[in-house]
Amino acid sequence: QKEVEQNSGPLSVPEGAIASLNCTYSDRGSQSFFWYRQYSGKSPELIMFIYSNGDKEDGRFTAQLNKASQYVSLLIRDSQPSDSATYLCAVILRQGAQKLVFGQGTRLTINP
Amino acid sequence: DTAVSQTPKYLVTQMGNDKSIKCEQNLGHDTMYWYKQDSKKFLKIMFSYNNKELIINETVPNRFSPKSPDKAHLNLHINSLELGDSAVYFCASRTGTGIGHEQYFGPGTRLTVT
Repeated sequence: QKEVEQNSGPLSVPEGAIASLNCTYSDRGSQSFFWYRQYSGKSPELIMFIYSNGDKEDGRFTAQLNKASQYVSLLIRDSQPSDSATYLCAVILRQGAQKLVFGQGTRLTINP
Repeated sequence: DTAVSQTPKYLVTQMGNDKSIKCEQNLGHDTMYWYKQDSKKFLKIMFSYNNKELIINETVPNRFSPKSPDKAHLNLHINSLELGDSAVYFCASRTGTGIGHEQYFGPGTRLTVT
């Protein structure tokens, strides 16, 4: 089992709809969870982080964390073509560790 | 005012050569990283330094050697380059330790070994 798993996609969503990106992780002791966006040919850009169970909202983005199910998701409301990118889920597998482990990324396409 | 910078942006070289990639951050961060992103876009950590001290050394061939002259710089030297070393190499940095772990990435160096 991979440490951090994502569906590689591609995921196609019509403009204006909600895009839902999912990620599971293997280590129940994981404490910190991150979503990065990476445009083609560019570097990863941090868009959300979440440490506690529940939802965290920032503009059109909502991160959801369920530690019991070892599941973290990212919702993008009112999707725009500019949201088309690869979204990388990243996890610190246990508290105090310095290592950030990435999933393989989900490629999202927003169709006008 | 670039936060994390890398040079060069592109590097094309032949098998067997030795090359270096440089990274600098002006964020005042304590910890810096090197990542490798392969052709399938999988991003994997290679090394990490905290205040010039090596703290993470993943299973990476000995041909790869990081060097941190000060906490704002982390360079990557690669000896005897192989075809499989072709990838994009990203430098990243973060501040301090603890539960927060927001890392900021440089623009990447695309290495092509022919």
